[in-house]
Amino acid sequence: DAGVTQSPTHLIKTRGQQVTLRCSPKSGHDTVSWYQQALGQGPQFIFQYYEEEERQRGNFPDRFSGHQFPNYSSELNVNALLLGDSALYLCASSLIPGGMNTEAFFGQGTRLTVV
Amino acid sequence: AQKITQTQPGMFVQEKEAVTLDCTYDTSDQSYGLFWYKQPSSGEMIFLIYQGSYDEQNATEGRYSLNFQKARKSANLVISASQLGDSAMYFCAMREGVDSGYALNFGKGTSLLVTP
Repeated sequence: DAGVTQSPTHLIKTRGQQVTLRCSPKSGHDTVSWYQQALGQGPQFIFQYYEEEERQRGNFPDRFSGHQFPNYSSELNVNALLLGDSALYLCASSLIPGGMNTEAFFGQGTRLTVV
Repeated sequence: AQKITQTQPGMFVQEKEAVTLDCTYDTSDQSYGLFWYKQPSSGEMIFLIYQGSYDEQNATEGRYSLNFQKARKSANLVISASQLGDSAMYFCAMREGVDSGYALNFGKGTSLLVTP
């Protein structure tokens, strides 16, 4: 049973460029959340997608956008990259946005470096 | 304001010993959930243990137990019989409220090093 897979694993971009990160959820999961983890920090919630719609959003600018496809996979897009966008981007999937104890399964992340 | 506080940036423990990682939280909700995740150098966040705010007993999962003190708003992770493979970053996280949207709020983490 494949877990959460993310691609690419590493990426180097130049300031001002745009980037797309991809995530395939764990088999059977229909909800995908994205987190940004800066060096030495805990993950910060960006947004969550369910039924191809953004359900909740954290405190991130509009440069961060996403999409969920009918097969539940998801993309995170970041426009006009800043040096401060350099981080590990984690995708987490879960089975329906259920109760308080809904476990989120994480991928290994995409390490984005902006130069 | 920080909702999850982990005051120990780094911890050392000898193999086979027990270690406690501290976590305090801040919420005005009555319904919330507390999680601990392990993050090895590979980057993946691995779920360890969950405690619900209404759970009367402390959660346990194998060598992991959660020391839940609701009045003090603390949810410390206890790892018994530490193993070399336990060396990693450990994050405490909270999910709040009925309509929270299921986002997890993470602390800054504690780096644990298990020595032979």
